[in-house]
Amino acid sequence: SQKIEQNSEALNIQEGKTATLTCNYTNYSPAYLQWYRQDPGRGPVFLLLIRENEKEKRKERLKVTFDTTLKQSLFHITASQPADSATYLCALGLGLTGGGNKLTFGTGTQLKVEL
Amino acid sequence: GAGVSQSPSNKVTEKGKDVELRCDPISGHTALYWYRQSLGQGLEFLIYFQGNSAPDKSGLPSDRFSAERTGGSVSTLTIQRTQQEDSAVYLCASTPRPNGYTFGSGTRLTVV
Repeated sequence: SQKIEQNSEALNIQEGKTATLTCNYTNYSPAYLQWYRQDPGRGPVFLLLIRENEKEKRKERLKVTFDTTLKQSLFHITASQPADSATYLCALGLGLTGGGNKLTFGTGTQLKVEL
Repeated sequence: GAGVSQSPSNKVTEKGKDVELRCDPISGHTALYWYRQSLGQGLEFLIYFQGNSAPDKSGLPSDRFSAERTGGSVSTLTIQRTQQEDSAVYLCASTPRPNGYTFGSGTRLTVV
């Protein structure tokens, strides 16, 4: 069956360190993968999109990698800050031939950055 | 408006009643999505509207759920004869093209 797995346990790191979150998937051939941030009581906020033919994408302190052989994406936040504390969701899209822009989401990983 | 607007933000209803949830997407966004999020669960796809195409209803959990999108803009998600397992946050999102979604803040539905 299709599955998207993210670390179910919360990730606690110290301010200034790099946070690395993992998203693994099985039985999918995504055209692209997206990462979102969700704060309590709010809807998810889009962060980055990476396509199947891209290995890495960066945006400010954020970096995403996408390994279609390992079926894994890594999401890095460098120089982490307490304001980065939130739940981070990965989502897979199959593209126009696989259901349009419909996304399938993982359950998310809670990140807590401590002083 | 600048973002996706959902109303109401909170709704408490009695089991067996019908509810309507509203979503105002960003103007010009041709695609609109409904998801729901239960406590501790991931986002569950419900339905997807793309322009004038027939909606993708493959995620609707039962025939008690329906949605429409009038004039390619506002969408209403209707749940008939609500059950306690329908309690969740219902999220709407829109996008102009294959790219990141812009989500609303959601409607928290509680069925008592």
